[in-house]
Amino acid sequence: DAGVIQSPRHEVTEMGQEVTLRCKPISGHNSLFWYRQTMMRGLELLIYFNNNVPIDDSGMPEDRFSAKMPNASFSTLKIQPSEPRDSAVYFCASTPRQTSGNTIYFGEGSWLTVV
Amino acid sequence: GESVGLHLPTLSVQEGDNSIINCAYSNSASDYFIWYKQESGKGPQFIIDIRSNMDKRQGQRVTVLLNKTVKHLSLQIAATQPGDSAVYFCAENSNYKLSFGAGTTVTVRA
Repeated sequence: DAGVIQSPRHEVTEMGQEVTLRCKPISGHNSLFWYRQTMMRGLELLIYFNNNVPIDDSGMPEDRFSAKMPNASFSTLKIQPSEPRDSAVYFCASTPRQTSGNTIYFGEGSWLTVV
Repeated sequence: GESVGLHLPTLSVQEGDNSIINCAYSNSASDYFIWYKQESGKGPQFIIDIRSNMDKRQGQRVTVLLNKTVKHLSLQIAATQPGDSAVYFCAENSNYKLSFGAGTTVTVRA
């Protein structure tokens, strides 16, 4: 079975450029999460969707970050304009439904470097 | 605020020995806990989980112990193998949010 699929796997971009990260959750999963991982802060939840609706975006660092989920099989995380401090690994994850006790499955991540 | 933290940042273990990774949590309302393994260049991979109504759960070569009295979680890996070298994260799931600890780097010595 296909897991959570993310693209691009690696991206290097210049400061000020727009970055779009993409995610396809596991088929049938109703909840989708975007996480960011850095050495300093570990794994942080950025935003969470349930049935394509953003439920909690309190982890989104600032207005430069936005996320959408136009349908059940696709989500994007956009950074505009990007800054060097945005360099991190961005993980997308999904789970069958919004209840405690459901394992959350992660993609392989998008490794972003902003120079 | 509520947090999930790990006792030790690194663990070096001889191949074939048992490993024990510890984790402390502070949210007494958390009812579900997960251990993840993250290998270099990959995403966190589910290892084993446990609900708060249990104190022990066993998988293949892994055992998770939960002590709700002291809010402590541990992962035991039996007969550690080179492929077990990775960063291990505990996570607590309260409602929909998964909060991660800092991670313990496990290195297996040949």
